[in-house]
Amino acid sequence: AQTVTQSQPEMSVQEAETVTLSCTYDTSENNYYLFWYKQPPSRQMILVIRQEAYKQQNATENRFSVNFQKAAKSFSLKISDSQLGDTAMYFCAFIALTGTASKLTFGTGTRLQVTL
Amino acid sequence: ETGVTQSPTHLIKTRGQQVTLRCSSQSGHNTVSWYQQALGQGPQFIFQYYREEENGRGNFPPRFSGLQFPNYSSELNVNALELDDSALYLCASSRPGQGSYEQYFGPGTRLTVT
Repeated sequence: AQTVTQSQPEMSVQEAETVTLSCTYDTSENNYYLFWYKQPPSRQMILVIRQEAYKQQNATENRFSVNFQKAAKSFSLKISDSQLGDTAMYFCAFIALTGTASKLTFGTGTRLQVTL
Repeated sequence: ETGVTQSPTHLIKTRGQQVTLRCSSQSGHNTVSWYQQALGQGPQFIFQYYREEENGRGNFPPRFSGLQFPNYSSELNVNALELDDSALYLCASSRPGQGSYEQYFGPGTRLTVT
């Protein structure tokens, strides 16, 4: 079974600053994807960024980038130049590419507040 | 491209009743997954449907059941509602058979059981 752990229940960052959200996971799988999802107060879950486990290069999407450390089973999200619209719950999620169902396993989330 | 839609937005039911939630998948996506998100928690996988068949199930009792239709839309049915079933129910669509494992979520249905 896979588990995803987010050890920071809440974080705060000032506008234009950089913040890093932590995520660790546990799995015996070798083929998997990792994701960060954002859930604003309006509640729709939005995909922020994905990382394929077989890729060594860290994924980047505009102001969002990850630090993927496969051996350490760590997958942190860095948000640069934080904006008020980044205020949301952030969930780290894992999906194994084996088995019949491609189900997402989520962490408990980190609530990020961006302040002026 | 049409995103994932869910109906209704909110629902209030009484313990013991039955409920049906609906989901339309994103255009081109043939797989639908359902998740339950309790307040303050991450979503928990209920089950997944592919080609109108249940393709995998999480740790939920049989009173949680579903359907997928030929147009890939889906329903989640919950019988004998319990207070603990109060949650946000999320539907997500994807197309893993085409090597794309991202799941795209709908806005959710907030179910309150009293």
